[in-house]
Amino acid sequence: GNSVTQMEGPVTLSEEAFLTINCTYTATGYPSLFWYVQYPGEGLQLLLKATKADDKGSNKGFEATYRKETTSFHLEKGSVQVSDSAVYFCALHPRSNDYKLSFGAGTTVTVRA
Amino acid sequence: EAGVAQSPRYKIIEKRQSVAFWCNPISGHATLYWYQQILGQGPKLLIQFQNNGVVDDSQLPKDRFSAERLKGVDSTLKIQPAKLEDSAVYLCASSLDGAVSTGELFFGEGSRLTVL
Repeated sequence: GNSVTQMEGPVTLSEEAFLTINCTYTATGYPSLFWYVQYPGEGLQLLLKATKADDKGSNKGFEATYRKETTSFHLEKGSVQVSDSAVYFCALHPRSNDYKLSFGAGTTVTVRA
Repeated sequence: EAGVAQSPRYKIIEKRQSVAFWCNPISGHATLYWYQQILGQGPKLLIQFQNNGVVDDSQLPKDRFSAERLKGVDSTLKIQPAKLEDSAVYLCASSLDGAVSTGELFFGEGSRLTVL
């Protein structure tokens, strides 16, 4: 079946530090991969996506590259801000008749000033 | 553009009581989803509607959960009777896609249920 495993948190960083959140997946075929973010008190929102191998998704200074050979989609940001404090979810969509979007457990990131 | 609206934001009930959550998706979005998010876990799909038809309800505990989407617009999720393990945030989401989902969903803020 399809599943996503992401790095356990919580992660606490200082402002301007480098952030990496690991995400690996198991899927048949060629899924689309996503990072969703949930800021405090808000709903989940799409942060970035990649639909095929070697694609790089980017948004708000965050990047993630779809690595088929390592079945990974790690999220990175070079210099985090306090406003990046949130819960980050890696997700997979199989692009088949199975419509389910499968989420990882989420990683809580806290950035201190 | 208005986002996905959900109510109530918070609900506290005793076990064996009933509760209902309401969702109004983004205008024009054909697909509506209800997810359950238990603390410390990722969202789990309960049910997916395409217009007013059910696409997937394989993970909906049908002995106690029910959902409807009359007229293909807003939707209601009901739990009756509630159990302690139903304590979670219930997320509603919608998407513009037709028959094949791209996985890009727009979420509401969620309804937090506490069962005592």
